[in-house]
Amino acid sequence: DGGITQSPKYLFRKEGQNVTLSCEQNLNHDAMYWYRQDPGQGLRLIYYSQIVNDFQKGDIAEGYSVSREKKESFPLTVTSAQKNPTAFYLCASSFSLNTEAFFGQGTRLTVV
Amino acid sequence: AQSVTQPDIHITVSEGASLELRCNYSYGATPYLFWYVQSPGQGLQLLLKYFSGDTLVQGIKGFEAEFKRSQSSFNLRKPSVHWSDAAEYFCAVAIGGSQGNLIFGKGTKLSVKP
Repeated sequence: DGGITQSPKYLFRKEGQNVTLSCEQNLNHDAMYWYRQDPGQGLRLIYYSQIVNDFQKGDIAEGYSVSREKKESFPLTVTSAQKNPTAFYLCASSFSLNTEAFFGQGTRLTVV
Repeated sequence: AQSVTQPDIHITVSEGASLELRCNYSYGATPYLFWYVQSPGQGLQLLLKYFSGDTLVQGIKGFEAEFKRSQSSFNLRKPSVHWSDAAEYFCAVAIGGSQGNLIFGKGTKLSVKP
């Protein structure tokens, strides 16, 4: 089945540790995105990538890093520099920046 | 600055009743508009989208939305709500038509009472 797979669904880390969230898609989409969702808030864009080996900062990129070495994969690293990393993280993809995005099921990160 | 406003944080409707969720946006040009639905702990599912053309758009699960340029609105409607429609609904605007500039509202939580 085609879709977007985020893993793991739940992730726990100690404060000060970097952690990488996985996002894989088999939809042949060129563009991929990472969003952060906090309770009572909408989604906020962290990073997006229009094409392999290229990515752009979103509204809240500080404390995060990404890579796009393969079309299918867009991992997000939450670094120790992110002041408040506990949140629900959503990955999405689309054929291009001008077409609708489809979302994965999310990863809930809890930092203790 | 561009923004999306969903005025209702939480709405409760009876099963079988009609539903309208409000969405207003602030943007100078004609935007690309979307409605997404999210069940607890899940990702977002696209209900419908408006890019151009007919201002009344049909989506999945019996939902529809109407784009009103004069009111900068894109309200979501359903004639008869089912208990399975209970979820959180997000309106979003793609500024300049770019998903890299997708701005979300803060969502409206829908509860359905039997």
